[in-house]
Amino acid sequence: GENVEQHPSTLSVQEGDSAVIKCTYSDSASNYFPWYKQELGKGPQLIIDIRSNVGEKKDQRIAVTLNKTAKHFSLHITETQPEDSAVYFCAASEWNNNDMRFGAGTRLTVKP
Amino acid sequence: GAGVSQSPRYKVAKRGQDVALRCDPISGHVSLFWYQQALGQGPEFLTYFQNEAQLDKSGLPSDRFFAERPEGSVSTLKIQRTQQEDSAVYLCASSPMPGKNTEAFFGQGTRLTVV
Repeated sequence: GENVEQHPSTLSVQEGDSAVIKCTYSDSASNYFPWYKQELGKGPQLIIDIRSNVGEKKDQRIAVTLNKTAKHFSLHITETQPEDSAVYFCAASEWNNNDMRFGAGTRLTVKP
Repeated sequence: GAGVSQSPRYKVAKRGQDVALRCDPISGHVSLFWYQQALGQGPEFLTYFQNEAQLDKSGLPSDRFFAERPEGSVSTLKIQRTQQEDSAVYLCASSPMPGKNTEAFFGQGTRLTVV
């Protein structure tokens, strides 16, 4: 089955700096890679996703890149703000597979 | 409501007690997922419903775990004879798309503590 590894487990940046979180996956059949943001006491919220037919996707300050050959994908947050502080999870699955595998999460702290 | 609603938010159970966790998905959403999230970990898939049909229960950790969605809307996750290792946050998610976990919206979860 799919195995997703995520690092770093914690990340602290100064407001305005960029933050990068990286994930690797094991199953070459995986073709859907979402990123979720989870704030304290809340459920995960989808912030961006990418499918395997593209290498990069951007939405305002958030971008995701995918390297299918190396089986890794990354989340990039630019111009970080204190409200970006949360736990971020990457995930991977086949497009029509119910079993989506999550990474262990990265706790991002943005210092004002 | 506009989002996925779960109840109770917190549940403390004595070891051996049965518990039932409720999920109200977004109205009209076909797909419903249950996940278990241990402290400091990512969510782990438990089971999937498409309308009232439970199409995938491969993630349920033991036969003490049982889920149902009899009318294709509200779902209940039941855990019998709870054990300490069942302590976790149980997340429910729903999606308007059948058979796919894309665009899934998560509820706030139920934090279960078994003492």
